[in-house]
This record gives sequence, structure tokens and C-alpha cells, in this order.
Amino acid sequence: ETGVTQSPTHLIKTRGQQVTLRCSSQSGHNTVSWYQQALGQGPQFIFQYYREEENGRGNFPPRFSGLQFPNYSSELNVNALELDDSALYLCAMARERGETQYFGPGTRLLVL
Amino acid sequence: QKEVEQNSGPLSVPEGAIASLNCTYSDRGSQSFFWYRQYSGKSPELIMFIYSNGDKEDGRFTAQLNKASQYVSLLIRDSQPSDSATYLCAVNQAGTALIFGKGTTLSVSS
Repeated sequence: ETGVTQSPTHLIKTRGQQVTLRCSSQSGHNTVSWYQQALGQGPQFIFQYYREEENGRGNFPPRFSGLQFPNYSSELNVNALELDDSALYLCAMARERGETQYFGPGTRLLVL
Repeated sequence: QKEVEQNSGPLSVPEGAIASLNCTYSDRGSQSFFWYRQYSGKSPELIMFIYSNGDKEDGRFTAQLNKASQYVSLLIRDSQPSDSATYLCAVNQAGTALIFGKGTTLSVSS
């Protein structure tokens, strides 16, 4: 049990819509990272936040955006959804940058 | 493009045998290395991390790191059917992103 929670667990959207995924932790994790995992692939890094500032970004378009809040929770927002956005979205938290990242249970997004 | 390579498998071993999972990485500046286990439909679960060359043991699991060869491995001794899962190798890049391989599927038969 990592203490990292995500909501919702499953979500179905249609192409062009917007979605917000949420992640929270019971402990003081200063670092939150978001990953996208397509079927049969390893997780792909979207971005990381450290103390509410973006601390690195992977090869994802600007329609993927995020926030980290003072209570260590975080949001991933995806605008103008595309069919290829269908995936498992994973949040991972760590106490500090560079430390071990622990994953939440994920949100499975299906875009129709 | 910094990459992490793993054989996709499946790797099949009988119960009680040693399973050997391998991973290579391209970025010589990588500092920390992780093995995660992922059951079907679940999120990755940390098994081990290793920072220094050599072996690190934790119960039935041993991680091995060779930075000169850019090679990381995971040995699972006394494999159990419950070890059947996908094993993801990950490399920490610049203290931010984890770069993952595609994972190796392990099947342990009883």
C-alpha cells in the first residue's frame, strides 16, 4: 500500500472533450509525476511537479497540463481528447526529487 | 533519445527455478535504477532499487548493476506462480523522469 490514491478509477470520454484526473497522498510527498501507459507498453513520462512548480516535461503536447496543490495533491488535465489518449494514467509520488517514486492505482481512460 | 531496452518475453520458468530478467540503458549519466512489478490491470509496484555497481539482495530478489556495460538485471530465486507478472525496468533521468522499458512478461508454472 503506497498511500497514493487516484480518482476516478475508470473514465469514458468522447473525442474532443476535456478530462481532469486527480491524485493525492496521505504523506508529505513534495514530488508528483504523471505517466501514460498504453496497452503493452511501459509508462511514458508526461511531467513532474516539485513544490507546485513544473520540474520536467516529457514529449507530450501542451494540451496535457497539470497542477500541484499545497496539500500535495495534483491534477492532470487533457484538452481536446484524441483516440490515442486512451491509456492507463499513473500518478507517482516521492518525498523529494530523485527519490523513489511510488505509484497510485491509476485511472483508465477510454476515448471513443 | 534515451532508451531502456528489455526483452518482452514471455519468459517461462518452472516453480522453484531462478528467473533472470535483463535490461540495458543508453544514458551513461543515469544514476539510479529500479525494478517494478506490474500485475495485469494493476499499477507498477516497486520491487527494488539500486544505485551502485554490484549486487543488492532483498529476500528472493537480487538486483545487479554494471554501469560500464550499462546493464541491470533482476534475479528471482525460488520462483512462485504468484511472481507471474510483467517486470518493468526503469532508469531515473536527471532526478525527474523515470524512463521505462516495455517490460518483460514472466510466467511461472506450477
